Amino acid sequence: GIQVEQSPPDLILQEGANSTLRCNFSDSVNNLQWFHQNPWGQLINLFYIPSGTKQNGRLSATTVATERYSLLYISSSQTTDSGVYFCAVAPANSKLTFGKGITLSVRP
Amino acid sequence: DVKVTQSSRYLVKRTGEKVFLECVQDMDHENMFWYRQDPGLGLRLIYFSYDVKMKEKGDIPEGYSVSREKKERFSLILESASTNQTSMYLCASSVGGLTTQYFGPGTRLLVL
Repeated sequence: GIQVEQSPPDLILQEGANSTLRCNFSDSVNNLQWFHQNPWGQLINLFYIPSGTKQNGRLSATTVATERYSLLYISSSQTTDSGVYFCAVAPANSKLTFGKGITLSVRP
Repeated sequence: DVKVTQSSRYLVKRTGEKVFLECVQDMDHENMFWYRQDPGLGLRLIYFSYDVKMKEKGDIPEGYSVSREKKERFSLILESASTNQTSMYLCASSVGGLTTQYFGPGTRLLVL
């Protein structure tokens, strides 16, 4: 099946810093989603982005489907950005496969 | 507003017990999913359903079964709970295959 690798596995930031989270995948995809899991376990969908670029406030994401990677940018990080960020991908008409996640800690 | 609810946030059961985890969505979504999340392993799909009374095995269906009698409700059943089923269980729903998945708050299950 498709492989999903996220990097770095852990990230520690000072409040106000910017960061880039990466997701590499091993095959063509028709579905790519980024999720944030807060410290209480709730997963929130951030972006549905199988290709192109999207922005939502301080967050933006870019997927380069031909090169099989996606990037999530966090600008001016806040302590509430802490948690685990998951990338999940799926080839056509297939189930999502999740990466192992990136644990982000933003310190005040 | 999108809402997926799960019957319990925390659950403690004994080995051999039958365990029911329930998930309800109020968005009229066709697809519903059950995942388990373990440290270092990310989320793994147990079962999913794309319609009432329909179910498909995911990556790790062994030891689990599911039931979908109504569109809004998807139940995960552990027929005889074992300690290796101690985990975080997450339910999700989506309107179609290539769309956003919405997650419930999760159930932390401890099997003693």
